[in-house]
Amino acid sequence: QSVLTQPPSVSAAPGQKVTVSCSGSASNIGNKFIAWYQHVPGTAPKLLIYDNNKRPSGIPDRFSGSRSGTSATLHITGLQTGDEANYYCGTWDNSLTSGVFGGGTKLTVL
Amino acid sequence: QVQLVQSGAEEKKPGSSVKVSCKASGGTFNTYTFAWVRQAPGQGLEWMGRFIPGFGPANYAQKFQGRVTFTADEFTGTAYMELSSLRLDDTAVYYCATDWWETYYYYMDVWGKGTTVTVS
Repeated sequence: QSVLTQPPSVSAAPGQKVTVSCSGSASNIGNKFIAWYQHVPGTAPKLLIYDNNKRPSGIPDRFSGSRSGTSATLHITGLQTGDEANYYCGTWDNSLTSGVFGGGTKLTVL
Repeated sequence: QVQLVQSGAEEKKPGSSVKVSCKASGGTFNTYTFAWVRQAPGQGLEWMGRFIPGFGPANYAQKFQGRVTFTADEFTGTAYMELSSLRLDDTAVYYCATDWWETYYYYMDVWGKGTTVTVS
C-alpha cells in the first residue's frame, strides 16, 4: 500500500488532455512540494515536474502540475502516443523521514 | 550534466548478498547526493534510501533497515548499494538517482538505467 494514492489508470485520445491525481496527507504533500515522474518500462524514470509545477529543461509545457492542500495533480495536454507510460508522484514524508511514491498511474492514449 | 551508469544484471541465490554500482560521470561527484529506488515485477517504484557521500550516515527506508548499505568511492566517482539476506521478493530493477532534499522539497532528477537483480 503506497503512502500516496493515485488512480491505477487513465486514458484519453490523442490531442486531448488528461489529469492524474495524487492524494497524500499533512506529513507529505501538505508540507513538501510534489514531483512527478514518467516511467516507460525498461527505461530510466524521468523527472517531469518538481516543486509542484516546475519543469526541468527539455520537458515540454504540455506537462504541468498543481497542488492544493494534501493533493496534487499532473496535467497533460495535447496527448501524444509517445506519452503512454506510467506516471508517479513522489515527495518526502516528514513522519516516516523517507521518500515516498504513489502507486503509479498507467496512461493509455487511445 | 551528470550521467549515471549502473552495473550489469545479477542472479543471486536466496540468503546471499548483491552489490550494485552506480558510476557518475560528467559532474563533480562530491556535490551529489544519491537515492536508491527499486521496482519489483508488476509493482510501482519503491524508495530504499538516500545518502550523501562522505557526510554522515545514510537514511534508509524502515523496510530495508539492517539489510541495505550505501557506500561510495569518491576517487572513482561510484556509489554502491549492497542488499544482504536476499529473498525471492527482492527480485527487482534497482535504480540509482541523484536527489535534492531541502525543507520544502524532495525529488530525484537524474536516474541510472537500472540494474536487474534476480533472486532464485
